[in-house]
Amino acid sequence: AQRVTQPEKLLSVFKGAPVELKCNYSYSGSPELFWYVQYSRQRLQLLLRHISRESIKGFTADLNKGETSFHLKKPFAQEEDSAMYYCAQPTGGFKTIFGAGTRLFVKA
Amino acid sequence: GAGVSQSPRYKVAKRGQDVALRCDPISGHVSLFWYQQALGQGPEFLTYFQNEAQLDKSGLPSDRFFAERPEGSVSTLKIQRTQQEDSAVYLCASSLVGTQSTFSYEQYFGPGTRLTVT
Repeated sequence: AQRVTQPEKLLSVFKGAPVELKCNYSYSGSPELFWYVQYSRQRLQLLLRHISRESIKGFTADLNKGETSFHLKKPFAQEEDSAMYYCAQPTGGFKTIFGAGTRLFVKA
Repeated sequence: GAGVSQSPRYKVAKRGQDVALRCDPISGHVSLFWYQQALGQGPEFLTYFQNEAQLDKSGLPSDRFFAERPEGSVSTLKIQRTQQEDSAVYLCASSLVGTQSTFSYEQYFGPGTRLTVT
């Protein structure tokens, strides 16, 4: 079965420290991967997508086909980055598979 | 403009009751998705509509679950004879275009309906 794996349920870092949220995918057919974010009391929203190759709010994510990974990185975490992060992959049809999510907590 | 809206925001149902959850997508959005999110999990795909056509219902967990989008805009997810395992947040998302290729578009999510079955 196709899977998106986020191995960490909780990641806690200090403000100003680098952060990396891990994501591994199993479906090799789709070139598209997404990171969605849910801030406290807000709805799920797109953070960034692989095909855009953008940096949003200082976050970047690089697709590594050899390792089937799409880790999310930021060099200097801010308190406002505290949120729930979900990695997601369309399967080539109409279904998008989401990982279980990683809660990022940035400590002052 | 307005985003995706869902109603009710919270629903408590007794086991065995039927429930109907409503989703109002962003006007003009072709695609509409329903997801189920259990506590501590990511959203799990239930079904997909392109306009009024339900093109994928592979994620519906049983025949107690039924979704419709008769005029290609508002959608309703109905759960018959609710069970405790149906307790979850039900998310609706819409997208501007269809997803017929491996390239898919950003999904805009609603706030969700939290269903609790007692």
